[in-house]
Amino acid sequence: AQSVTQLGSHVSVSEGALVLLRCNYSSSVPPYLFWYVQYPNQGLQLLLKYTSAATLVKGINGFEAEFKKSETSFHLTKPSAHMSDAAEYFCAVSDGTGRRALTFGSGTRLQVQP
Amino acid sequence: EAQVTQNPRYLITVTGKKLTVTCSQNMNHEYMSWYRQDPGLGLRQIYYSMNVEVTDKGDVPEGYKVSRKEKRNFPLILESPSPNQTSLYFCASRGGSLSYNEQFFGPGTRLTVL
Repeated sequence: AQSVTQLGSHVSVSEGALVLLRCNYSSSVPPYLFWYVQYPNQGLQLLLKYTSAATLVKGINGFEAEFKKSETSFHLTKPSAHMSDAAEYFCAVSDGTGRRALTFGSGTRLQVQP
Repeated sequence: EAQVTQNPRYLITVTGKKLTVTCSQNMNHEYMSWYRQDPGLGLRQIYYSMNVEVTDKGDVPEGYKVSRKEKRNFPLILESPSPNQTSLYFCASRGGSLSYNEQFFGPGTRLTVL
């Protein structure tokens, strides 16, 4: 069985500040990990994914995430927040079997203050 | 434009009145899936389909049915909706059998069951 825990259902940062959204996973097999973003009234969009090729993964819109096996973490970061980053962010894990696809965390809503 | 479409986007209905939410993708993807999104719970998988005529239960299948008669379409059927099925529903598709391939999400259907 696999699971994802996102620490902090709401995170607020000032524009220009560092964004750090936390994700810890549990998986009995080497995981594939994903971050998705959901803007208001829209579907989910893939930000980045880890597929074991490199532990530091760069995504769209300046986001990146680092896979740390020893900490079972896959935290999402962005050096400088922009107002347009305000959205809900979901971490997800896949066991790689291809059948059941993704298990999502509960989400973190990012608020960016001017 | 590559996309996943869902209809309707918004639906208010009453308990017990059968309804169908349609989902269609134009990317020739084999894999399709339905999720429901509830506050604090993230997205949970209802059903998925690996290909035409191949469907299987996800984590929360009770009260739902699906069918996959054509590759592009994957309707979600609620035969006798109940208020606990009030939720935001997302359809998604993915190319190939690899679970780390990107899933593409539709815009969502907000369902209210009175």
